[in-house]
Amino acid sequence: QKEVEQNSGPLSVPEGAIASLNCTYSDRGSQSFFWYRQYSGKSPELIMSIYSNGDKEDGRFTAQLNKASQYVSLLIRDSQPSDSATYLCATKLLSGGGADGLTFGKGTHLIIQP
Amino acid sequence: GAGVSQSPSNKVTEKGKDVELRCDPISGHTALYWYRQSLGQGLEFLIYFQGNSAPDKSGLPSDRFSAERTGGSVSTLTIQRTQQEDSAVYLCASNSLGGAHGYTFGSGTRLTVV
Repeated sequence: QKEVEQNSGPLSVPEGAIASLNCTYSDRGSQSFFWYRQYSGKSPELIMSIYSNGDKEDGRFTAQLNKASQYVSLLIRDSQPSDSATYLCATKLLSGGGADGLTFGKGTHLIIQP
Repeated sequence: GAGVSQSPSNKVTEKGKDVELRCDPISGHTALYWYRQSLGQGLEFLIYFQGNSAPDKSGLPSDRFSAERTGGSVSTLTIQRTQQEDSAVYLCASNSLGGAHGYTFGSGTRLTVV
């Protein structure tokens, strides 16, 4: 049973601070990891992907992966009110006999307070 | 097209009726996924198409659900004899590498069964 766990929140962070979102996964075969942002009433939007241990930075976003501990995190620096959304963590096996796509967590609701 | 297109955007149907949901993936994307997202819940995998291979139907919740993909492009998800618990947002996503690099979602179809 593949599971991806996230704290549902809401996580409240003051504007300008660093928002830290965490995710743990149960399947050690997971090789690809993704963070999606979903605004209320909208579809998920891919914002970060990470495949190897360590940090990956893209603008104000940094994804961190630790396969030994089976966790992946997303840091958002200089948080803005527009960052308020639900953040979904997702994982995928490197090869799955094709098949079942990404496994998603239920998401963390992030609120950036002006 | 430039993005994943889904239609209709909203559908209200009476319990027991059949519905068809359409997805037009990004041109050239060989992988196509259907997910379902119920209110306050995570994304639930339904079915996966990859090129001309047999689809992975392991996520379909019952035999009332079926999907096809014609010509390796447009996909239709059909729900027969709809039930109230089928009410959800149905999301389609496509990718050119079978999901290894994340994928792009359409805007979804919000299905309400009354």
